[in-house]
Amino acid sequence: KAGVTQTPRYLIKTRGQQVTLSCSPISGHRSVSWYQQTPGQGLQFLFEYFSETQRNKGNFPGRFSGRQFSNSRSEMNVSTLELGDSALYLCASSLGRSLDFYNEQFFGPGTRLTVL
Amino acid sequence: AQKVTQAQTEISVVEKEDVTLDCVYETRDTTYYLFWYKQPPSGELVFLIRRNSFDEQNEISGRYSWNFQKSTSSFNFTITASQVVDSAVYFCALPFSGGYNKLIFGAGTRLAVHP
Repeated sequence: KAGVTQTPRYLIKTRGQQVTLSCSPISGHRSVSWYQQTPGQGLQFLFEYFSETQRNKGNFPGRFSGRQFSNSRSEMNVSTLELGDSALYLCASSLGRSLDFYNEQFFGPGTRLTVL
Repeated sequence: AQKVTQAQTEISVVEKEDVTLDCVYETRDTTYYLFWYKQPPSGELVFLIRRNSFDEQNEISGRYSWNFQKSTSSFNFTITASQVVDSAVYFCALPFSGGYNKLIFGAGTRLAVHP
C-alpha cells in the first residue's frame, strides 16, 4: 500500500507570496491532518479534514487555510507569507472513523518551506 | 489543560546500551490514548505505538518496550541494545479532548546512538 505523499518536498518563497501544499493520503483513509514543525514551537496542529469538511482547527491565523477533495486529497494554502512561516509542514492521514476518535495517524515526508 | 512533557532534550548513548525516553502527560480525560512517533533525519514521522488508558500492561515489540503508569501519568519508552539506526527524534503525543485526530506532541527527545 502506498504511503502518504506530499508535494512539493521543498519550496522557497519570498515574503508576501502565497503557497499551496498538497497531500495525498493512504488509499481508504478519509481524514487528513496538517501539522507545522519549527525548531522553536515544535509540532503544532493546523487543521484536520474529514470527508471534505474541516473537523478541527488549531490556533493559527486565517492566512492558513485548507481544503479536502472528494478523493480525500488535501491542500493547504498559506497567503501573505511571513519569515516565521518557514517550517516543515507535515500531513497525516488516518481512517478517521467518527466513532473511533484516536486512529493512528500515518505521516508523509513533509514539505520544507523556506520563506526569504 | 492537556500537556505532554519530554524533559530529555537530547540523549547520547553508545551502541548496545539500553536507553529510556521519558514522557509525562496531563489530561482531564478519563479515557485517552497515547502515542509514540519516531522522526528519523528524513523528516517523516513514523508511528510506533498507540496505547489505550484502559490497558496498563507493558508492551514489548522486539527491542522496543513501553511502560505505561497511569498513577504517575507517564508513558516511557525503552530501547534495548540500541543501534545506530535508532538515532532519531522521538515524540510522545496525546489527542486533544474530543479532538479526533488532533494531537498534542511533546517537544521530542533527540537520541544519538554512536558506534
